[in-house]
Amino acid sequence: DAGVIQSPRHEVTEMGQEVTLRCKPISGHDYLFWYRQTMMRGLELLIYFNNNVPIDDSGMPEDRFSAKMPNASFSTLKIQPSEPRDSAVYFCASTNRWGPNQPQHFGDGTRLSIL
Amino acid sequence: QKEVEQNSGPLSVPEGAIASLNCTYSDRGSQSFFWYRQYSGKSPELIMSIYSNGDKEDGRFTAQLNKASQYVSLLIRDSQPSDSATYLCAVNDRAAGNKLTFGGGTRVLVKP
Repeated sequence: DAGVIQSPRHEVTEMGQEVTLRCKPISGHDYLFWYRQTMMRGLELLIYFNNNVPIDDSGMPEDRFSAKMPNASFSTLKIQPSEPRDSAVYFCASTNRWGPNQPQHFGDGTRLSIL
Repeated sequence: QKEVEQNSGPLSVPEGAIASLNCTYSDRGSQSFFWYRQYSGKSPELIMSIYSNGDKEDGRFTAQLNKASQYVSLLIRDSQPSDSATYLCAVNDRAAGNKLTFGGGTRVLVKP
């Protein structure tokens, strides 16, 4: 089975530009999570969806960040305008609530550098 | 604010020895506990899960859970250089919809 697929793997852009990160969860998984990882703050949950509906966006740092899940197989995380402090690795993960205690499965991540 | 605490390390162990990693959590409502391994530049990979008090063994890995003390640990027996990685403890509050809170990770270095 295919795992969680993220694109692009690497993104380098200039400050002020719009950045869009993409994620395809594992088929049949109804929870999708977006995380950000930095050396200073570790792995932080930004937002998560259940059945395409945003459930908790309390981790989204500010209004420059937005996330959507238009269907069960696709989600985007957008940063507009981007700033150097947004540089991090962004992970997408998915899980299936059916069955007890299902772990999250992570994609390979997008390494984002804002110059 | 739910917290998960780990010693950041590095934890240096000789090849063949036992590596012992510890994790404490603040929320008594936590029900599921996971250990993820993350190699440098890679994504977190699940290696162990534990839900009940006591020990759970899987190959060279043993997870130990003590809910009364709010403590979960991971033992790596016969440590190998390939075990060198950062180990992340994650705690699930099912009441919050499978939301995981991660610790900061413990970096493990296994020296030949």
